Amino acid sequence: KAGVTQTPRYLIKTRGQQVTLSCSPISGHRSVSWYQQTPGQGLQFLFEYFSETQRNKGNFPGRFSGRQFSNSRSEMNVSTLELGDSALYLCASSSRVAGDTQYFGPGTRLTVL
Amino acid sequence: DQQVKQNSPSLSVQEGRISILNCDYTNSMFDYFLWYKKYPAEGPTFLISISSIKDKNEDGRFTVFLNKSAKHLSLHIVPSQPGDSAVYFCAASRSGGSNYKLTFGKGTLLTVNP
Repeated sequence: KAGVTQTPRYLIKTRGQQVTLSCSPISGHRSVSWYQQTPGQGLQFLFEYFSETQRNKGNFPGRFSGRQFSNSRSEMNVSTLELGDSALYLCASSSRVAGDTQYFGPGTRLTVL
Repeated sequence: DQQVKQNSPSLSVQEGRISILNCDYTNSMFDYFLWYKKYPAEGPTFLISISSIKDKNEDGRFTVFLNKSAKHLSLHIVPSQPGDSAVYFCAASRSGGSNYKLTFGKGTLLTVNP
């Protein structure tokens, strides 16, 4: 079974630009969660999508948004990029069946200059 | 406000010995706890979990202990192997794990020396 894939793996942007990251979950998984990892704050939850609906949301500004498509693939968008948005963005998929856990992709490394 | 804390940024042990990684939490609503391992350039990999109705869960060389009164959990790796060298994250959630919002600690870098 193929794992969680994220594209692109690396991205360099400048302040003020916007960026879209993509995540393809494990086949059959309908839940996709996004996390931001930075050296100072560690891994922080952004949001979770299930069946194309946002189910959970973390404490991030509205510049961070996401969506999920009918095939469960998810995109995350960050508008008006700031230097502090430089981070590793991880997505995780789950079947949302009791006892299952979240399986992470390799992440997208975003650098904002 | 850091609700899940891993106070040791790093830990070094000899191959074959026990590794003990610690984690403390402050939110009494957390009732499901997980450990993930992360290698550089890869996403975190799930290791083991424990529900608050238990105080111990074992899976091979990995055992997680939960002390609810102290709001403390620990991961024991016995025996430690060089391939276990990685960053270990403790995570917690509410609603018995059916809530998919995980709150992570900042991680502990484990180095197992041959």
